[in-house]
Amino acid sequence: DTAVSQTPKYLVTQMGNDKSIKCEQNLGHDTMYWYKQDSKKFLKIMFSYNNKELIINETVPNRFSPKSPDKAHLNLHINSLELGDSAVYFCASSFEGGGRYGYTFGSGTRLTVV
Amino acid sequence: KQEVTQIPAALSVPEGENLVLNCSFTDSAIYNLQWFRQDPGKGLTSLLLIQSSQREQTSGRLNASLDKSSGRSTLYIAASQPGDSATYLCAPPDNYGQNFVFGPGTRLSVLP
Repeated sequence: DTAVSQTPKYLVTQMGNDKSIKCEQNLGHDTMYWYKQDSKKFLKIMFSYNNKELIINETVPNRFSPKSPDKAHLNLHINSLELGDSAVYFCASSFEGGGRYGYTFGSGTRLTVV
Repeated sequence: KQEVTQIPAALSVPEGENLVLNCSFTDSAIYNLQWFRQDPGKGLTSLLLIQSSQREQTSGRLNASLDKSSGRSTLYIAASQPGDSATYLCAPPDNYGQNFVFGPGTRLSVLP
Protein backbone atom coordinates (compact mmCIF):
# COMPACT_ATOMS: atom_id res chain seq x y z
CA ASP A 1 0.00 0.00 0.00
CA THR A 2 1.17 3.49 -0.77
CA ALA A 3 1.25 5.37 2.47
CA VAL A 4 3.03 7.27 5.17
CA SER A 5 3.90 4.85 7.95
CA GLN A 6 5.11 5.65 11.45
CA THR A 7 6.62 3.42 14.09
CA PRO A 8 6.00 2.83 16.87
CA LYS A 9 2.28 3.51 17.18
CA TYR A 10 2.56 3.80 20.96
CA LEU A 11 5.58 4.75 23.05
CA VAL A 12 5.69 4.91 26.84
CA THR A 13 8.94 6.02 28.42
CA GLN A 14 10.39 7.63 31.50
CA MET A 15 11.46 11.22 31.91
CA GLY A 16 15.03 11.87 30.89
CA ASN A 17 15.19 9.10 28.31
CA ASP A 18 16.09 9.59 24.64
CA LYS A 19 13.74 8.14 22.04
CA SER A 20 13.17 8.09 18.30
CA ILE A 21 10.08 7.89 16.12
CA LYS A 22 10.45 6.68 12.56
CA CYS A 23 8.55 7.81 9.49
CA GLU A 24 8.65 6.43 5.99
CA GLN A 25 6.70 7.33 2.86
CA ASN A 26 6.52 5.43 -0.41
CA LEU A 27 4.57 8.07 -2.31
CA GLY A 28 7.59 9.58 -4.02
CA HIS A 29 7.04 12.87 -2.21
CA ASP A 30 9.98 15.20 -1.78
CA THR A 31 8.96 17.00 1.42
CA MET A 32 8.19 15.56 4.84
CA TYR A 33 6.84 17.10 8.03
CA TRP A 34 6.41 16.48 11.72
CA TYR A 35 3.36 17.81 13.54
CA LYS A 36 2.54 17.64 17.25
CA GLN A 37 -1.03 17.26 18.50
CA ASP A 38 -1.30 18.20 22.16
CA SER A 39 -3.90 17.24 24.74
CA LYS A 40 -6.20 20.00 23.51
CA LYS A 41 -6.04 18.44 20.04
CA PHE A 42 -4.30 21.39 18.37
CA LEU A 43 -2.00 20.38 15.53
CA LYS A 44 1.22 22.42 15.31
CA ILE A 45 4.02 22.18 12.79
CA MET A 46 7.37 21.18 14.23
CA PHE A 47 9.56 20.68 11.17
CA SER A 48 9.36 20.55 7.43
CA TYR A 49 12.20 19.05 5.42
CA ASN A 50 13.11 18.41 1.82
CA ASN A 51 16.42 17.63 0.20
CA LYS A 52 17.40 21.24 0.28
CA GLU A 53 16.09 22.79 3.41
CA LEU A 54 15.13 22.10 6.99
CA ILE A 55 12.64 24.56 8.38
CA ILE A 56 12.22 24.53 12.11
CA ASN A 57 9.40 26.03 14.08
CA GLU A 58 11.21 28.33 16.46
CA THR A 59 9.06 27.24 19.37
CA VAL A 60 10.33 23.65 19.19
CA PRO A 61 12.94 22.90 21.90
CA ASN A 62 16.35 21.88 20.58
CA ARG A 63 15.89 18.53 22.36
CA PHE A 64 13.89 17.63 19.24
CA SER A 65 15.84 16.92 16.07
CA PRO A 66 14.73 15.53 12.72
CA LYS A 67 17.04 13.21 10.85
CA SER A 68 16.56 12.23 7.23
CA PRO A 69 18.72 9.39 5.89
CA ASP A 70 17.04 9.73 2.48
CA LYS A 71 14.10 11.36 0.75
CA ALA A 72 11.66 8.68 1.88
CA HIS A 73 12.45 8.84 5.60
CA LEU A 74 12.25 11.51 8.27
CA ASN A 75 12.86 10.33 11.82
CA LEU A 76 12.28 12.36 14.95
CA HIS A 77 14.78 12.14 17.80
CA ILE A 78 13.90 13.45 21.22
CA ASN A 79 16.51 13.86 23.95
CA SER A 80 15.93 14.19 27.68
CA LEU A 81 12.20 13.60 27.49
CA GLU A 82 9.93 15.71 29.68
CA LEU A 83 6.36 15.19 30.87
CA GLY A 84 5.20 17.99 28.59
CA ASP A 85 6.41 16.08 25.55
CA SER A 86 3.50 13.69 25.95
CA ALA A 87 1.40 14.10 22.82
CA VAL A 88 0.56 12.47 19.52
CA TYR A 89 3.19 13.06 16.84
CA PHE A 90 2.17 12.93 13.19
CA CYS A 91 4.37 12.60 10.17
CA ALA A 92 3.17 13.89 6.79
CA SER A 93 4.52 14.21 3.27
CA SER A 94 3.80 16.14 0.08
CA PHE A 95 5.12 17.08 -3.33
CA GLU A 96 7.01 20.35 -3.00
CA GLY A 97 7.35 22.40 0.12
CA GLY A 98 4.18 24.03 1.30
CA GLY A 99 1.93 21.17 0.37
CA ARG A 100 0.78 22.79 -2.85
CA TYR A 101 -0.65 19.45 -3.83
CA GLY A 102 -1.90 18.55 -0.38
CA TYR A 103 -0.58 16.44 2.47
CA THR A 104 -0.74 12.74 3.27
CA PHE A 105 -0.53 11.93 6.97
CA GLY A 106 0.70 8.94 8.89
CA SER A 107 -1.48 7.40 11.59
CA GLY A 108 0.42 9.00 14.46
CA THR A 109 2.62 7.96 17.38
CA ARG A 110 1.18 8.44 20.86
CA LEU A 111 4.06 9.32 23.18
CA THR A 112 3.50 9.12 26.93
CA VAL A 113 6.26 10.30 29.25
CA VAL A 114 5.93 9.11 32.84
CA LYS B 1 0.78 34.83 11.09
CA GLN B 2 -2.00 32.64 9.69
CA GLU B 3 -4.70 31.96 12.25
CA VAL B 4 -7.62 29.61 11.70
CA THR B 5 -10.94 29.38 13.49
CA GLN B 6 -13.70 26.85 13.00
CA ILE B 7 -17.35 27.15 13.90
CA PRO B 8 -19.09 25.37 15.48
CA ALA B 9 -16.63 23.70 17.83
CA ALA B 10 -19.01 20.76 18.22
CA LEU B 11 -22.16 19.62 16.49
CA SER B 12 -24.60 16.82 17.24
CA VAL B 13 -27.31 16.04 14.69
CA PRO B 14 -29.70 13.23 13.78
CA GLU B 15 -28.90 11.12 10.79
CA GLY B 16 -29.97 12.48 7.41
CA GLU B 17 -29.40 16.17 8.04
CA ASN B 18 -27.40 18.40 5.71
CA LEU B 19 -24.55 20.09 7.56
CA VAL B 20 -22.42 23.20 7.20
CA LEU B 21 -19.01 23.48 8.84
CA ASN B 22 -17.32 26.87 8.74
CA CYS B 23 -13.66 27.83 8.61
CA SER B 24 -12.15 31.33 8.75
CA PHE B 25 -8.51 32.29 8.21
CA THR B 26 -6.66 35.58 8.58
CA ASP B 27 -4.20 35.49 5.67
CA SER B 28 -6.16 35.28 2.44
CA ALA B 29 -3.08 35.12 0.17
CA ILE B 30 -3.35 31.35 -0.09
CA TYR B 31 -3.04 29.05 -3.09
CA ASN B 32 -5.11 26.21 -1.65
CA LEU B 33 -6.86 24.87 1.43
CA GLN B 34 -7.28 21.30 2.62
CA TRP B 35 -10.05 19.70 4.67
CA PHE B 36 -9.25 16.67 6.80
CA ARG B 37 -11.16 14.22 8.91
CA GLN B 38 -9.78 12.73 12.14
CA ASP B 39 -11.44 9.78 13.83
CA PRO B 40 -10.84 9.36 17.60
CA GLY B 41 -7.39 7.98 18.26
CA LYS B 42 -6.61 7.88 14.56
CA GLY B 43 -4.62 9.82 11.99
CA LEU B 44 -5.82 12.44 9.55
CA THR B 45 -7.57 11.55 6.33
CA SER B 46 -7.58 14.08 3.52
CA LEU B 47 -11.10 14.85 2.32
CA LEU B 48 -10.75 17.66 -0.18
CA LEU B 49 -8.00 19.90 -1.49
CA ILE B 50 -9.41 23.06 -3.01
CA GLN B 51 -7.18 25.30 -5.11
CA SER B 52 -7.44 29.09 -4.99
CA SER B 53 -8.51 29.10 -8.65
CA GLN B 54 -11.51 26.94 -7.73
CA ARG B 55 -14.54 28.07 -5.87
CA GLU B 56 -15.77 24.58 -5.07
CA GLN B 57 -14.56 21.01 -4.87
CA THR B 58 -16.80 17.97 -4.52
CA SER B 59 -16.28 14.39 -3.43
CA GLY B 60 -19.36 12.25 -2.95
CA ARG B 61 -21.57 13.80 -0.29
CA LEU B 62 -18.90 16.39 0.56
CA ASN B 63 -18.59 19.80 -1.01
CA ALA B 64 -16.02 22.42 -0.02
CA SER B 65 -16.18 26.05 -1.07
CA LEU B 66 -13.44 28.65 -0.83
CA ASP B 67 -13.83 32.43 -0.73
CA LYS B 68 -10.31 33.83 -0.52
CA SER B 69 -11.34 37.45 -0.42
CA SER B 70 -13.35 36.97 2.74
CA GLY B 71 -10.98 34.42 4.26
CA ARG B 72 -13.59 31.68 4.49
CA SER B 73 -14.12 28.09 3.53
CA THR B 74 -17.19 25.96 4.10
CA LEU B 75 -17.58 22.20 4.15
CA TYR B 76 -21.03 20.90 3.28
CA ILE B 77 -21.99 17.37 4.23
CA ALA B 78 -25.16 16.10 2.57
CA ALA B 79 -27.45 13.47 4.08
CA SER B 80 -25.22 12.88 7.12
CA GLN B 81 -24.64 9.35 8.38
CA PRO B 82 -23.39 7.97 11.72
CA GLY B 83 -20.15 7.03 9.93
CA ASP B 84 -19.51 10.73 9.37
CA SER B 85 -18.94 11.19 13.11
CA ALA B 86 -15.41 12.54 13.50
CA THR B 87 -13.49 15.78 13.93
CA TYR B 88 -13.21 17.89 10.78
CA LEU B 89 -10.14 20.06 10.39
CA CYS B 90 -9.61 22.97 8.04
CA ALA B 91 -6.03 23.76 6.96
CA PRO B 92 -4.90 26.69 4.81
CA PRO B 93 -1.16 27.28 4.20
CA ASP B 94 0.84 29.55 6.48
CA ASN B 95 1.93 33.06 5.52
CA TYR B 96 5.02 31.75 3.75
CA GLY B 97 3.20 28.97 1.90
CA GLN B 98 5.47 26.46 3.59
CA ASN B 99 3.15 24.43 5.81
CA PHE B 100 -0.52 23.91 6.47
CA VAL B 101 -1.92 25.60 9.58
CA PHE B 102 -4.71 23.68 11.28
CA GLY B 103 -7.88 25.00 12.84
CA PRO B 104 -9.10 23.61 16.17
CA GLY B 105 -11.64 21.43 14.38
CA THR B 106 -15.37 20.80 14.50
CA ARG B 107 -16.32 17.67 16.42
CA LEU B 108 -19.29 16.11 14.65
CA SER B 109 -21.58 13.47 16.08
CA VAL B 110 -24.31 12.03 13.85
CA LEU B 111 -26.89 10.08 15.80
CA PRO B 112 -28.70 7.07 14.31
